[in-house]
Amino acid sequence: QVQLVQSGAEVRKPGASVKVSCKASGYIFIDNYMHWVRQAPGQGLEWMGWINPNNGDTNFAQKFQGRVTMTRDTSMNTAYMELSRLRFDDTAVYYCARDDSSGWWGVDYWGQGTLVTVSS
Amino acid sequence: NFMLTQPHSVSESPGKTVTISCTRSSGDIASTYVQWYQQRPGSSPTTVIYEDNQRPSGVPDRFSGSIDISSNSASLTISGLKTEDEADYYCQSYDGTIVIFGGGTKLTVL
Repeated sequence: QVQLVQSGAEVRKPGASVKVSCKASGYIFIDNYMHWVRQAPGQGLEWMGWINPNNGDTNFAQKFQGRVTMTRDTSMNTAYMELSRLRFDDTAVYYCARDDSSGWWGVDYWGQGTLVTVSS
Repeated sequence: NFMLTQPHSVSESPGKTVTISCTRSSGDIASTYVQWYQQRPGSSPTTVIYEDNQRPSGVPDRFSGSIDISSNSASLTISGLKTEDEADYYCQSYDGTIVIFGGGTKLTVL
């Protein structure tokens, strides 16, 4: 069965960076794009971008361009999302989410989420 | 990019039917597929509707999706409400290669 297992909670100071991992299993990793979506406390879902694990191509929401990096390690079936120059309002649960490969950018599986807390 | 607007909250009694709307700000609602996700408290989202009106396996047929061209909106309808349906619901579509989520609707079943 498809599983996306994310790394554990992180605490960072403002201005620092954080890197979250997402290990995929149960399918061929390079066959599906991977999205990253975040959710601030009590707020809705916010799409950050996607990575094509097959070739490393990425596409980011304009809001995060210049601050987010998405990479993958195909030997480890793992996707990574790194967010730099953290601010207090980056405190959120960060999800990786597998694209369903329909061509319509839907998601069919989600990771369990990683809480990133930005605190001084 | 367009926006997807949902009501902040809806409530209904068990056994009744509720409809959650998702209105597209510009462009035709029928031009791109809409997905719907359910998120129960403390859990990751799950898909309840994809491609406007398709249900993933395991999702009860009490859940249905539709689009209305006249109001440029998509709708999620849940019939025979159960207390377990109480959750946040998000619509999602796309603009080219950009993914767009609605703001979410909190469904209370009381």
